[in-house]
Amino acid sequence: GAVVSQHPSWVICKSGTSVKIECRSLDFQATTMFWYRQFPKQSLMLMATSNEGSKATYEQGVEKDKFLINHASLTLSTLTVTSAHPEDSSFYICSATDSPMNTEAFFGQGTRLTVV
Amino acid sequence: GENVEQHPSTLSVQEGDSAVIKCTYSDSASNYFPWYKQELGKRPQLIIDIRSNVGEKKDQRIAVTLNKTAKHFSLHITETQPEDSAVYFCAANPYNNNDMRFGAGTRLTVKP
Repeated sequence: GAVVSQHPSWVICKSGTSVKIECRSLDFQATTMFWYRQFPKQSLMLMATSNEGSKATYEQGVEKDKFLINHASLTLSTLTVTSAHPEDSSFYICSATDSPMNTEAFFGQGTRLTVV
Repeated sequence: GENVEQHPSTLSVQEGDSAVIKCTYSDSASNYFPWYKQELGKRPQLIIDIRSNVGEKKDQRIAVTLNKTAKHFSLHITETQPEDSAVYFCAANPYNNNDMRFGAGTRLTVKP
């Protein structure tokens, strides 16, 4: 099956700094990538949807200036958490599809962010 | 937008028994319904999916049923094994869209 690689798998940063998370589709072209946030023992909450070459579409309540998403190529999307605070600590996970129609989504391995 | 509800939130069964997890969705335009298994700290893994033109799909010990009229779909796991223990999520995709919405998850524990 298709492979999505997410990096880093975990990161610890100081409050006020920014952190970039990468999501790469290794063997297919990802027309659409999704970014989710998952708190402990909770479901995956969609943060934003990004299509290559266009601005991301953010879900209601997600600050686009805080969570910067760049989908510069068909194989790479990045999520930058700017001015991170302890409440941003969470498991961030991306997924990618190779079709704009509803098809199987392939997930990255996730990034555990801890802000201290 | 789509709203997916999932029950139960926790489920404990004895090894060899069956487990059933149920989900309902709100958007009648949804036509793709995947089920994911997630182990602690790992990525969700697709275990089975169903499209709205099909009422049931089976893959070995796992089956999914879909009732479009009632807008609900269920995951059935037979002959459960301890390695089936994980969190299971249902999801629904609106037609012509990959904007997938997840249920709240069910923590399944299979006791040996």
